[in-house]
Amino acid sequence: KAGVTQTPRYLIKTRGQQVTLSCSPISGHRSVSWYQQTPGQGLQFLFEYFSETQRNKGNFPGRFSGRQFSNSRSEMNVSTLELGDSALYLCASSPTGVKDTQYFGPGTRLTVL
Amino acid sequence: KQEVTQIPAALSVPEGENLVLNCSFTDSAIYNLQWFRQDPGKGLTSLLLIQSSQREQTSGRLNASLDKSSGRSTLYIAASQPGDSATYLCAVTGYSSASKIIFGSGTRLSIRP
Repeated sequence: KAGVTQTPRYLIKTRGQQVTLSCSPISGHRSVSWYQQTPGQGLQFLFEYFSETQRNKGNFPGRFSGRQFSNSRSEMNVSTLELGDSALYLCASSPTGVKDTQYFGPGTRLTVL
Repeated sequence: KQEVTQIPAALSVPEGENLVLNCSFTDSAIYNLQWFRQDPGKGLTSLLLIQSSQREQTSGRLNASLDKSSGRSTLYIAASQPGDSATYLCAVTGYSSASKIIFGSGTRLSIRP
């Protein structure tokens, strides 16, 4: 079974731009969660989607948004990028949600200049 | 508010030693606790998941224990190998359907040949 894939793997943007990241879960998994990892704040939960609905949300500003498609693939969007948004963005999939074993993708390294 | 702490932040031991990594959490009302491994610049790999009703889980050379009353979990690694070098993170999830997963900051483990 193929693992979780994320595209692109690396991204460089400038302040004020917006960015869209993509995550394809393991086949059959309906839950996709997104995380931001930085040296200062560690790994923080952004949001979780299940069957195309946002089920949980972390403490991030509204510039961070996401969606999930009928095939469970998910996208995360960050608008009006700030320098502090530079991070490794990870997504994870599971059959039913964050209470399940989480299967992580390799991440997208976003650098904001 | 749930907080997860991992001490020490870094640990270096010679190959072959048995070692223990620690994780503590402030709210004992957890649904489960997971241990993950992260290699530099990579995503996370789930190692063990312990349900709140369980006291321990084992996988190969790894054994994780859970003491909810004291808010502690330990990850025991037997006969350590250089390939065990990585950052180890623990994470807890609550009971609520809107529960988020809260991660510790991790312990960076280095096994010296």
